Amino acid sequence: AAGVIQSPRHLIKEKRETATLKCYPIPRHDTVYWYQQGPGQDPQFLISFYEKMQSDKGSIPDRFSAQQFSDYHSELNMSSLELGDSALYFCASQGPNSDGYTFGSGTRLTVV
Amino acid sequence: AQSVAQPEDQVNVAEGNPLTVKCTYSVSGNPYLFWYVQYPNRGLQFLLKYITGDNLVKGSYGFEAEFNKSQTSFHLKKPSALVSDSALYFCAVSRFSGGYNKLIFGAGTRLAVHP
Repeated sequence: AAGVIQSPRHLIKEKRETATLKCYPIPRHDTVYWYQQGPGQDPQFLISFYEKMQSDKGSIPDRFSAQQFSDYHSELNMSSLELGDSALYFCASQGPNSDGYTFGSGTRLTVV
Repeated sequence: AQSVAQPEDQVNVAEGNPLTVKCTYSVSGNPYLFWYVQYPNRGLQFLLKYITGDNLVKGSYGFEAEFNKSQTSFHLKKPSALVSDSALYFCAVSRFSGGYNKLIFGAGTRLAVHP
């Protein structure tokens, strides 16, 4: 069965650089959630999209932005990267009338 | 607002013994409750969920959880622990409202199963 695909799996960036993380939801899933998990932390909700519109917003820094495209994939754009942005970034997708959340394997971002 | 509490940072169990990982929640309205497991440097793996119906939910790998509305708890249990169960376990809650709602995670409980 198709799963949630995240790319890249690993990313190393320098401070003040920009990073773009991509999430491809399960086919016909119309909702995407982004989470950030710092070392030894629980996943923190960043932002979500439903039918290409932002549906909820959490503790997402102003340096980050995200969008969901017409094919329902989503991208998380991170600018002016800081050391503290080093984390595992997960996305999860959810389909119509679905009570489940399917997570991708995550993108591990390391800022040096 | 919704929140989840996992009161134990770590749970230690001998292999073959029963295990319990505790979770309590706070949410307005009816909760959706989930358990996920995370192995080192890996993603979140779904174990089980409670949406409605029987309070005892059975999930993957022999795990089960009991929804207790009066105590607002959703403790994860397994009758006989395996060393391979050693991992980080997250309880999560979502608020059912007919729409789409984010999952809120607990802080996680590290389960260590000793041979």
